[in-house]
Amino acid sequence: GAVVSQHPSWVICKSGTSVKIECRSLDFQATTMFWYRQFPKQSLMLMATSNEGSKATYEQGVEKDKFLINHASLTLSTLTVTSAHPEDSSFYICSAGRQEYEQYFGPGTRLTVT
Amino acid sequence: GQNIDQPTEMTATEGAIVQINCTYQTSGFNGLFWYQQHAGEAPTFLSYNVLDGLEEKGRFSSFLSRSKGYSYLLLKELQMKDSASYLCAAMDSNYQLIWGAGTKLIIKP
Repeated sequence: GAVVSQHPSWVICKSGTSVKIECRSLDFQATTMFWYRQFPKQSLMLMATSNEGSKATYEQGVEKDKFLINHASLTLSTLTVTSAHPEDSSFYICSAGRQEYEQYFGPGTRLTVT
Repeated sequence: GQNIDQPTEMTATEGAIVQINCTYQTSGFNGLFWYQQHAGEAPTFLSYNVLDGLEEKGRFSSFLSRSKGYSYLLLKELQMKDSASYLCAAMDSNYQLIWGAGTKLIIKP
């Protein structure tokens, strides 16, 4: 149990376009979902925390208008990178929380902006 | 401020034992996590400690000392597939994970 999926697993897009990444908890209801980004050889950086039905809480330095997060249901959260630029190229990972100390990670989405 | 420290890189031999240390400073504490991350993949959960002491799970064990703000991950009978980054993360009073930069473990035959 406790499987989290992400789609797509990798995406290449042109500068200026928007990309949507989906995160789904497949066999449990996730009250909280987290979005991370990770640059090569660096640790995970929390971008935002989202709770179902409410606005996401963004970490300092993360532009909420650029990284749109929607947590429409207890099993689905989406991250939309708007007007993507090459510096947005990164590994985006979501995790879903079942209880306060349990987080299960999705497989990640590698975004390349050309 | 909140901070996690762990070594950047370690090397060990196949079949041996290695201990990866982690020290932490957080605002409140709700547990210490260890994750394994292979290159290009998302982290996978290894262990969770919230009480002092040693938790053993097969070849992997994790230790916590809350008074010292210290944890270690012990890997026994090392296998080549254990080559990965090992991430230490502490959960603060707001149940947020504070991540270390990870320890790259290189296993040599």
